[in-house]
Amino acid sequence: DQQVKQNSPSLSVQEGRISILNCDYTNSMFDYFLWYKKYPAEGPTFLISISSIKDKNEDGRFTVFLNKSAKHLSLHIVPSQPGDSAVYFCAAHPLVNQFYFGTGTSLTVIP
Amino acid sequence: DVKVTQSSRYLVKRTGEKVFLECVQDMDHENMFWYRQDPGLGLRLIYFSYDVKMKEKGDIPEGYSVSREKKERFSLILESASTNQTSMYLCASSLSGRAYEQYFGPGTRLTVT
Repeated sequence: DQQVKQNSPSLSVQEGRISILNCDYTNSMFDYFLWYKKYPAEGPTFLISISSIKDKNEDGRFTVFLNKSAKHLSLHIVPSQPGDSAVYFCAAHPLVNQFYFGTGTSLTVIP
Repeated sequence: DVKVTQSSRYLVKRTGEKVFLECVQDMDHENMFWYRQDPGLGLRLIYFSYDVKMKEKGDIPEGYSVSREKKERFSLILESASTNQTSMYLCASSLSGRAYEQYFGPGTRLTVT
């Protein structure tokens, strides 16, 4: 059973607009979350993380929001650029040897 | 430039063969990981190593073993390959204490026929 779910397999956004990628998790004990980005034929690269003691973490154009009561997190990219076109994975990291990844959302930013 | 390399991009093996997937990192990282990625299932952790000769089972260790004799090298072993082990295999490494920030290799697409 998927413990981390990304229900939108794909998303298309115009360049310059906001991209919002969503992620839901099932276990309320999860307390650390990650986003990774993956280009074709490459391994994923770490993007941003958030701890459950925060509800927001920002890094440049990327902001992750955490809603613990809803067990939901989202990644906002503002403004979106064509180079952001990639597959985005969210993951929960409850223990040092535990990582639960979602199935990914493929983002296409249209120039 | 940080680098995680995997021995093969594509591999085809027969059922019952013993298969070795090799991963090398040049960043002096303590942690190394093996994942498999399947459609509809995302990345799933197979094994994790936090030091030479040390290993921890991940979410799906059945049918796999690992070896870490040197810090830079982490091997995934399929003792007797089966068709349900056809998958994309990804290796990653990270610093101790920053397990969340993993550097991934490009992956090995393994097909077991």
